Amino acid sequence: GENVEQHPSTLSVQEGDSAVIKCTYSDSASNYFPWYKQELGKGPQLIIDIRSNVGEKKDQRIAVTLNKTAKHFSLHITETQPEDSAVYFCAACYNNNDMRFGAGTRLTVKP
Amino acid sequence: DTEVTQTPKHLVMGMTNKKSLKCEQHMGHRAMYWYKQKAKKPPELMFVYSYEKLSINESVPSRFSPECPNSSLLNLHLHALQPEDSALYLCASSQEPGGPGELFFGEGSRLTVL
Repeated sequence: GENVEQHPSTLSVQEGDSAVIKCTYSDSASNYFPWYKQELGKGPQLIIDIRSNVGEKKDQRIAVTLNKTAKHFSLHITETQPEDSAVYFCAACYNNNDMRFGAGTRLTVKP
Repeated sequence: DTEVTQTPKHLVMGMTNKKSLKCEQHMGHRAMYWYKQKAKKPPELMFVYSYEKLSINESVPSRFSPECPNSSLLNLHLHALQPEDSALYLCASSQEPGGPGELFFGEGSRLTVL
C-alpha cells in the first residue's frame, strides 16, 4: 500500500515569510495529491490538490509542485499570515479508498 | 461552515455503554467515510460506503458497527469500547466513489471512553 512521509513535523515562521512543506510517496500508481489544512477543533479542509498530469498548480498564496520521477511533492505558502497557523496534511492516492495521509506539519506563523 | 454535519460533537461513554455517532450530508455525494484521528496523528480510514453499500472495512474491530440508512446519512454504532478507542471520529463524503477527488470532512465527534 501507499506510504507517505511528510517533513518537517513543526515549522515556525515570521509573518510575511514563506513556508515549505515536503512529502514523499511510495506507490508509483498514485495520481492524486491533495493538501488539507486542519485548524484546532475542526475537520481537515482541502486547500489545494494536484494530479499527476500536472507539475505545478497555484492558487493565490498557495502553490503545490509535483515531481513524479522522484515521487515527491511540496506545498509552498507565500506571505504567510497568522491565520495560516494550523496543521497541514499531505496525502496521496490512486482512488479515495486508498488515500494515505502524511504525519502532518504544525505551522505557526508569528505576528 | 462545513457541509458535513456530525453529532454529537463530544461524547463520553463507559466501556459497557452503547452509543452512536451520526453524520449527514446534503451535497448529493455517493461516497461516505469514517476516519479515526488520534491526537497529533493523521486521520486513519475505517470504513467506506459507496452508493450506500459498505465497500471498505479496514480491519476495524467489531465493536465499531457502521450503518448507512440512506444516501445522506451515515452512523457509527459503538459498543463495548476500550479506553484506547478515545479519539476524534471524522465523517467525510466525496462526490463519486473511488474518485479520486476532494474529501469533505465534518468537524468530528470527540469520543472519550472511560
